[in-house]
Formats: sequence, C-alpha cells, structure tokens
Amino acid sequence: GAGVSQTPSNKVTEKGKYVELRCDPISGHTALYWYRQSLGQGPEFLIYFQGTGAADDSGLPNDRFFAVRPEGSVSTLKIQRTERGDSAVYLCASSGGRGETQYFGPGTRLLVL
Amino acid sequence: QKEVEQDPGPLSVPEGAIVSLNCTYSNSAFQYFMWYRQYSRKGPELLMYTYSSGNKEDGRFTAQVDKSSKYISLFIRDSQPSDSATYLCAMRPSGTYKYIFGTGTRLKVLA
Repeated sequence: GAGVSQTPSNKVTEKGKYVELRCDPISGHTALYWYRQSLGQGPEFLIYFQGTGAADDSGLPNDRFFAVRPEGSVSTLKIQRTERGDSAVYLCASSGGRGETQYFGPGTRLLVL
Repeated sequence: QKEVEQDPGPLSVPEGAIVSLNCTYSNSAFQYFMWYRQYSRKGPELLMYTYSSGNKEDGRFTAQVDKSSKYISLFIRDSQPSDSATYLCAMRPSGTYKYIFGTGTRLKVLA
C-alpha cells in the first residue's frame, strides 16, 4: 500500500506569510507525528496526535505553529507570520498505535525568504 | 548539553568493513531506542528498534543498548556502498511518545 505522503514537496514563501503543510498518513494508522529537520541536524519533535487529538504538542516552538487532524487521518501543520528561521524540512510520520514503528514521509522543504 | 549526542562524521570505510555507530544520552528515563537510516532528500527509515538493554540482530545489523553507560551502538557487517547514508539514533522514555533524535552520522562506504 501507499506510504506517508506530504504536500507540497517544496514551498517557498516570503517572511510574514502564512503556510499550510499537509500530511497523508498510512491508511489505518492512528498515531501521527510532525518533526522539523534543519540542515545537518536530526529531526526535532513538534507534535504527536493519537486519533484526532494532540496528545503532546510540547515541541511546537511558539504560538505561530499549529497543527490539526480533524478526522483522525490527514493532518495539516500551519505556520503563521513565517520567519526565515522557520526554513527547514518538515517531516511527518505515522504509526499503527502508541509507541509502534514510525513510518516517515519524504518531507516538505520550506524556504522562507 | 544535548540529551542525545552523536558524532556527525563523516565516517568513511572500505566496502566489506564492519561499521560501528554510536550515541550517548543523558536521560536515564529513556527506554525505547531506535536506529534510522536517511538517504539524501528522503525521510528516515527505521532499521532497528530495541526496548531497554541488550542486543538485537537483524541480518547485517546489530543494535546494542548499555543503559548503565547510557550508550547505544549500531554495527553494520559487510558494509556495502548502498549503506552510504546518514544514520540517526532516536530514543524516548516510557509514558511519552516524544522521540529525541541524535544529529546523525554520515557514513560513506567506498567501493
């Protein structure tokens, strides 16, 4: 079956703009994670969903970042008033349940000019 | 000090060599340990998943966890050029699903 997909694959925006990044998890996976990966660094945890609810959003850096998963499948990461420091690869992962193997998508490369 | 430390490399080895990759960590609550492989411009791919201490083997890969030393290792036997990638360690405590990743070690296996 299909893996985790993320759209767009690349996004270029200007400082101050709003962006939405989409994640389609593997069908039936109840857990969904968002990470941010800067160049030369490992993925940095942002938020974890179990079903529709955000079970842990402690990694969101500030209130400009928000994520939703209204129907327990597709998730959208929303970034308001983007800053140049938000430039990174945003990775999404899903798993079949709590603590099980995470399957990563290819990421969305965000560049804020 | 970061919770998880990993030498960024790059580490270059000849084809067929045994590769040793390592991470150290500071949080004694970490219970679940993983190794991922990440090719350039791709998402990480899980290689090994270990709970608590001990060894786990899967084909050419062996993962070791030494909780007393807060040290984990991944060994790759008979390394191949296709193993050239960045290897990431990741870990989490029980009761939370917040995974902490190392910075990754870049490995180059030379033909």
